[in-house]
Amino acid sequence: EVQLVESGGGLVQPGGSLRLSCAASGFIFSDHYMDWVRQAPGKGLEWVGRTRKRVNSYSTEYAASVKGRFTISRDDSKNSLYLQMNSLKSEDTAVYYCVRLDSSGWLDYWGQGALVTVSS
Amino acid sequence: DIQLTQSPSFLSASVGDRVTITCRASQGIRSYLAWYQQKPGKAPKFLIYAASTLRSGVPSRFSGSGSGTEFTLTISSLQPEDFATYYCQQVNSFPLTFGQGTKVEIK
Repeated sequence: EVQLVESGGGLVQPGGSLRLSCAASGFIFSDHYMDWVRQAPGKGLEWVGRTRKRVNSYSTEYAASVKGRFTISRDDSKNSLYLQMNSLKSEDTAVYYCVRLDSSGWLDYWGQGALVTVSS
Repeated sequence: DIQLTQSPSFLSASVGDRVTITCRASQGIRSYLAWYQQKPGKAPKFLIYAASTLRSGVPSRFSGSGSGTEFTLTISSLQPEDFATYYCQQVNSFPLTFGQGTKVEIK
């Protein structure tokens, strides 16, 4: 069974940093691209970014709203995905979902989400 | 960026009703469209991909159609467990974008 479990969420002050982790199990993690998607309270879904596989040099893509502040990385030896968030703003307050992509690029499995609250 | 506009944003329906949600893209996205269902406090659930292909295990009362700029999600006979918010998403180009959502509530 595919499982994605996010951790590391919490309350952080504006301008601060936080690192989310996503522990993957039930599939060959290194074979899959992985995304982060977020959802502000009471709002819709917003794509944050992607990391590709080792064969693609772990290349990344980011939404304009987070580019330069957020960094996505992965450790295939630990079956883990990460989201390093710096220079956090109040508008980054959201539930952050770790998402697996299937071989055709569809976002097929989602974690339960981790809440990040940016507030003083 | 490709904008996805869903209509309606809110829909009130009864069990057994046929429900159709439309998703319009600001530019052509071929068939690179997915649909998700989200219930309160839960992660989105992947329903349909490539505009019309039902994910394994999704009930056959769900169907999708369209290509280019106009897409529809249809629920042929609404069941109690279908009351939720539905999102379309395009994977044609970066940044990936979602529609604003359609909330389906019980009449």
